[in-house]
Amino acid sequence: DADVTQTPRNRITKTGKRIMLECSQTKGHDRMYWYRQDPGLGLRLIYYSFDVKDINKGEISDGYSVSRQAQAKFSLSLESAIPNQTALYFCATSDNLREGQYFGPGTRLTVL
Amino acid sequence: AQSVTQLGSHVSVSEGALVLLRCNYSSSVPPYLFWYVQYPNQGLQLLLKYTSAATLVKGINGFEAEFKKSETSFHLTKPSAHMSDAAEYFCAVSGQAGTALIFGKGTTLSVSS
Repeated sequence: DADVTQTPRNRITKTGKRIMLECSQTKGHDRMYWYRQDPGLGLRLIYYSFDVKDINKGEISDGYSVSRQAQAKFSLSLESAIPNQTALYFCATSDNLREGQYFGPGTRLTVL
Repeated sequence: AQSVTQLGSHVSVSEGALVLLRCNYSSSVPPYLFWYVQYPNQGLQLLLKYTSAATLVKGINGFEAEFKKSETSFHLTKPSAHMSDAAEYFCAVSGQAGTALIFGKGTTLSVSS
């Protein structure tokens, strides 16, 4: 079984809809992250969390919110989706950055 | 603050040729450096990492990278490309007390027969 899972894997929605992307991990890591990937722009950090009570904005947090429901679960919400939020979204976990980050398989989101 | 620049958004090589993907970093503190690979329709997989031990780092699938502090570089190489190496490659940096990895914009490697 995968250590970091993301649901859904693909989602098509319409402008103005509320969307939630979910991430679960079995690695036992405290640190969790949400990134978005756009062609030619690499990965950009949206939010990160070091424990259930710790939520921090990343480089591009506008238009997004997150919830850390448990050590193993970290959800990303788009309150009112817009077309330029069409992207590939990745969840990642880390125990210590010296070891790097471990990524989920990604969620491909299309906002029409 | 940290940043990463990957030189060349697209690199094409022939099967059996040397692969060289370039990465330069900026960091105000001693860095941790990483290379990740992303195959089509998959997530990112760690290829190798530098964490202040040996400057020449060996990774999976025959890849290696050399940390050169004087040149602020961490270029990825493989002596002989294989068709299965075709993918997108990302260089990433973090400071030792960093909060997250900072990624470059990626380099797509194409391998022709």
